[in-house]
Parts: sequence; structure tokens; C-alpha cells
Amino acid sequence: GAVVSQHPSRVICKSGTSVKIECRSLDFQATTMFWYRQFPKQSLMLMATSNEGSKATYEQGVEKDKFLINHASLTLSTLTVTSAHPEDSSFYICSAAGLASYNEQFFGPGTRLTVL
Amino acid sequence: AQSVAQPEDQVNVAEGNPLTVKCTYSVSGNPYLFWYVQYPNRGLQFLLKYITGDNLVKGSYGFEAEFNKSQTSFHLKKPSALVSDSALYFCAVRDMENYGQNFVFGPGTRLSVLP
Repeated sequence: GAVVSQHPSRVICKSGTSVKIECRSLDFQATTMFWYRQFPKQSLMLMATSNEGSKATYEQGVEKDKFLINHASLTLSTLTVTSAHPEDSSFYICSAAGLASYNEQFFGPGTRLTVL
Repeated sequence: AQSVAQPEDQVNVAEGNPLTVKCTYSVSGNPYLFWYVQYPNRGLQFLLKYITGDNLVKGSYGFEAEFNKSQTSFHLKKPSALVSDSALYFCAVRDMENYGQNFVFGPGTRLSVLP
């Protein structure tokens, strides 16, 4: 199956700083990428959907100015958590879908963000 | 709107016994159904999917699932559980006709296989 990577896998930062998480599709072109957030012992909650070259579509309740998403190429999307606070600590997972795999999303390994 | 229910938070089964993890769904169009497994601090790994065709779908690691349209269910099964199957399992549905590529995930079921 297709491979999606995330970097970093784990990040610890101070409150008030910004953190960027990268999501890359390694062997296919991802026309659409998704960003999820997962709290401990809970399911994945979709934060936003991004299509290459256009603005991301955010789910209700997700602050677009706080969670900046860029999908500048067919293999890379980034999520920037701006002015992070402890309540932003979570597990962030991206997934990617391409035209050739329209039925399926391929998930990255996730990024554990801890804000002190 | 589409939704997924996994009625059991936790399933315990003895190694070697058959296991079932339940999933029911609700969509307005035709459902595309998926099962994923998640190990601690890891992303989701794809197990199997139902798009069309045979109602019994076989997937990775010996898992299978049966699509039942009348009961709107897609239960995950394995004939003989392994301790290494212990993980968090998510059922997901996608309504291709109405919601594009968006997935809706169930709350997850934690499977514990006891030696």
C-alpha cells in the first residue's frame, strides 16, 4: 500500500510557541490530505481537509487561525499549531488520498505534541 | 449525515478463540466501510474494506468482515485470536455519494487477547 510519513513523530514545546508538523506521501500523489486529532482513549476527529493548491476546509469548531494548514504540493501538507497551549497537546494524524486510490485514505504514523 | 457505532468499548477474548468486534453504520447513500487497527502511539493501519461485491471481505492478518446491508453492520472477525492482535480497532464509513472522501470513524473498540 501507499506510504505516508509524518515528521516529527514527537515534539515537546513551551506554551506560546508554534509547531509545524509535516505530512508526506512518499510514493503517490496526494490530491487530498486530511488532518485528524486524537485525544487519549478517543477516536479520531477530523480537523480539516486540504486539497493541493487550495485553502483547507475546516470542520466546525476548529480554529483556522490557530491550526494553519498548507498543501502546497501533491506530496506535502503541513499543519502549524500557532501559539500552542497545553490544551493543544494531543496526537495528530494525517492521511492522504490520491486520484488512483479514491476509495481509501492512507494514514501517517502520527505526531505526539506535548505543550508545557 | 453519516455515523458509525461500535457498541463495545472493550472486548476480551482468550488466545485461540474466535473474536468479533462489532460495527454498525448509518449513511444516506451507499456505504464504503473500513476497518483500521491502531497500536499504542502509532497511526492507523488498514485492515480491510468493503466497497462492492462479496459481502464477506478478507483482509490483513487473518481478519475478515461481513457486510450486512439489512442490519447496517460490518462486524470484524477472526477465527483464532492471537495475543498480538491486542490493539484498538476503528470502524469507519464513507458516503461517497454525499460526503466525498471524508471518513467518519467509530469510537473504537479495545481488543485484549489473553494468553
